[in-house]
Amino acid sequence: AQKITQTQPGMFVQEKEAVTLDCTYDTSDQSYGLFWYKQPSSGEMIFLIYQGSYDEQNATEGRYSLNFQKARKSANLVISASQLGDSAMYFCAVFGGTYKYIFGTGTRLKVLA
Amino acid sequence: NAGVTQTPKFQVLKTGQSMTLQCAQDMNHNSMYWYRQDPGMGLRLIYYSASEGTTDKGEVPNGYNVSRLNKREFSLRLESAAPSQTSVYFCASSFGQGRGGGELFFGEGSRLTVL
Repeated sequence: AQKITQTQPGMFVQEKEAVTLDCTYDTSDQSYGLFWYKQPSSGEMIFLIYQGSYDEQNATEGRYSLNFQKARKSANLVISASQLGDSAMYFCAVFGGTYKYIFGTGTRLKVLA
Repeated sequence: NAGVTQTPKFQVLKTGQSMTLQCAQDMNHNSMYWYRQDPGMGLRLIYYSASEGTTDKGEVPNGYNVSRLNKREFSLRLESAAPSQTSVYFCASSFGQGRGGGELFFGEGSRLTVL
């Protein structure tokens, strides 16, 4: 079975600072994908970044980077230079051989001016 | 492009009533999913369809049924609604292969209240 754990229900960060959102996963699949999504207060789900289990380099997309530590089963999201618009819920998800995307419970990020 | 379209966006039901949530995608995706989102619980998978003609249970399937009508459409049915099914429901789709299944595209969500 696949499982995602996000241990930080809420986080605060000062504008322009970097923040790390934690995600650990559990899967028995050898090949899998890890995703991060953002959900602003308006409710839509926005794809941020993807990391494949066989990717040797950490994924980056603009101000988002994924700190992938395979041995520790960790896939933390790093947001650099936080902006007020980054205030939202953030979800980590894993996709594996059973074609299911399993999500964590999310982290609510608040960026302070 | 419309992407993933789900209807209705809002619905109020009485306990015991039935309803169907409709979902359609126009991206030629193979896989489709239904999630529910409750405060503090994240997104929980109800049912999914890895490809046309197949459906499988997710994490919280009790009280729901699904139909993969064709490649584009995947409906979720509540046969006898209960207050515990009050939630926001999301339909999503993906290619389901390559790059970890590919990006999951979501509909806008359907807010269901069961009184």
